[in-house]
Amino acid sequence: ELKVEQNPLFLSMQEGKNYTIYCNYSTTSDRLYWYRQDPGKSLESLFVLLSNGAVKQEGRLMASLDTKARLSTLHITAAVHDLSATYFCAVDRGGSEKLVFGKGTKLTVNP
Amino acid sequence: DGGITQSPKYLFRKEGQNVTLSCEQNLNHDAMYWYRQDPGQGLRLIYYSQIVNDFQKGDIAEGYSVSREKKESFPLTVTSAQKNPTAFYLCASRDSQSFHEQYFGPGTRLTVT
Repeated sequence: ELKVEQNPLFLSMQEGKNYTIYCNYSTTSDRLYWYRQDPGKSLESLFVLLSNGAVKQEGRLMASLDTKARLSTLHITAAVHDLSATYFCAVDRGGSEKLVFGKGTKLTVNP
Repeated sequence: DGGITQSPKYLFRKEGQNVTLSCEQNLNHDAMYWYRQDPGQGLRLIYYSQIVNDFQKGDIAEGYSVSREKKESFPLTVTSAQKNPTAFYLCASRDSQSFHEQYFGPGTRLTVT
């Protein structure tokens, strides 16, 4: 059974600082997704990572995938308040087209 | 504008009543999904459908039912058998052409008292 663990679950950081969110998963998968959710809203797709060593960047966010370690990271550079949200990673269940989600990391960026 | 719509946005029901949540997409996606989200939790898969007239149970299907009579529509019924139906329900569809990414609708918040 595929399990997806994110840490930390809560992250409070100051504007301008850097930090990394980790997503570990328990069985082999070639596809990993990062989503953002604002309070009371739906999920917005951030990154799709499809192969070992994949790195994607958008603004202050950078995501990477290491399929051998079964680990993805979401790195935040010079955080700003607008990045405050909950971030989810989701892993494809071995080609079944079903996703397993982590519990999410609630990020709060303080001035 | 292509997208996924869910209605209503908020829904209040009394215990013991069945309720149906609507999900429509005009993205021409074959696969559609229903998820449930509880406070502070990730998403859990209720049902999914990869093609019209076919659907499969997800991880928490008990107390729910679905139909897929049209490609564009995948309604979810929350029955009185669902013991704890109050939650945020999200519908998604999948693009098989572009990285198999799932796109989400705006969600329906169901409160049962």
